Amino acid sequence: SQTIHQWPATLVQPVGSPLSLECTVEGTSNPNLYWYRQAAGRGLQLLFYSVGIGQISSEVPQNLSASRPQDRQFILSSKKLLLSDSGFYLCAWSEGALGDTQYFGPGTRLTVL
Amino acid sequence: GENVEQHPSTLSVQEGDSAVIKCTYSDSASNYFPWYKQELGKRPQLIIDIRSNVGEKKDQRIAVTLNKTAKHFSLHITETQPEDSAVYFCAASKRSGGYQKVTFGTGTKLQVIP
Repeated sequence: SQTIHQWPATLVQPVGSPLSLECTVEGTSNPNLYWYRQAAGRGLQLLFYSVGIGQISSEVPQNLSASRPQDRQFILSSKKLLLSDSGFYLCAWSEGALGDTQYFGPGTRLTVL
Repeated sequence: GENVEQHPSTLSVQEGDSAVIKCTYSDSASNYFPWYKQELGKRPQLIIDIRSNVGEKKDQRIAVTLNKTAKHFSLHITETQPEDSAVYFCAASKRSGGYQKVTFGTGTKLQVIP
């Protein structure tokens, strides 16, 4: 069966520091991968999606970036964090070819101070 | 683009009563409608979904209905239990450029009172 991992689980970072969050999926090949952000008490905002290695699309302009160096690895980065980057970051995957259901990872809770 | 509206934003019911959450969508090309349950501090988890070629789907105490003409869909939970307390998100999605584009509603916080 498929499993999705995210780390770290929690992170506290000062404003202006860099960020790297990692997501990996097991048990599937060529998945579509997604990064979402959820502000406290709010809904889900799609940040990036990827349909293959090296293929990244951004949904909203921001100081974040994403990379997909391997088929089942998705990384979210920032060079300089802002206070507004605080939130719950969720990675999700779906079957690449015809999959319509997205399955979420356990999330990373980021607090920027 | 797609716009999904979800109501109510909060819902309190007595244990054993039914709960209904309603969503509307704007893009007639949307063809897949999942519902997620998110407990405090946890990931959203898929609880039920429906595709546009089906009008109703049921899984034990949970059911979803879809009215394509009116562009609305609803989640029904019967015989509610305290463990049903959570935030529920509806979503409307369609295939777009090789990936499944999903638009989420703003969420309904359900409280089941024992």
